[in-house]
Amino acid sequence: DTAVSQTPKYLVTQMGNDKSIKCEQNLGHDTMYWYKQDSKKFLKIMFSYNNKELIINETVPNRFSPKSPDKAHLNLHINSLELGDSAVYFCASSQNLQGNIQYFGAGTRLSVL
Amino acid sequence: AQTVTQSQPEMSVQEAETVTLSCTYDTSESDYYLFWYKQPPSRQMILVIRQEAYKQQNATENRFSVNFQKAAKSFSLKISDSQLGDAAMYFCAYRRVTQGGSEKLVFGKGTKLTVNP
Repeated sequence: DTAVSQTPKYLVTQMGNDKSIKCEQNLGHDTMYWYKQDSKKFLKIMFSYNNKELIINETVPNRFSPKSPDKAHLNLHINSLELGDSAVYFCASSQNLQGNIQYFGAGTRLSVL
Repeated sequence: AQTVTQSQPEMSVQEAETVTLSCTYDTSESDYYLFWYKQPPSRQMILVIRQEAYKQQNATENRFSVNFQKAAKSFSLKISDSQLGDAAMYFCAYRRVTQGGSEKLVFGKGTKLTVNP
């Protein structure tokens, strides 16, 4: 069973559209994260949630809105997509706020045309 | 702010040989965690090894070991008996230890490792 799963794996869309990426973890973890990996492979935190509560918002444009319906899910909704949003987005989870190991999903490659 | 530097954008090694990937970091904290993650072409981020800063003993996981030099703020990864499956991007990462509030992983820019048969 996949521990952290993201859907879709690939997403191709036009500028200006709104899209969502879903993430689910079956590890029973309390804390979940979204990271963005740009075209140069640089990985950077976007958000973290703990038990459905926002903990970290790393100065991400407000076009990006994470939503956590329960602690096993953290979805990422992006409004008015721009060319610069093209990247690979990774979801991750850790046992709790103090959990020092983060387990990553396989990533979603978003291409904005 | 904490930063992580990987000075080698690319490295190559012959199969069965040993290779060392470099990582340095900058922090004013005394307690933290350090990690090496591997990202093969499949894109999956896989934890290779981790080190707790308060532990002087270098972490080891099978063919993977680290050389942790706390005073020098250096955390290099040694891969022994390199295998074709070791070919990947390798990311060094840092995480602060806090009593409350989740802490993000701060990543280096990665080193692309090629293993030659």
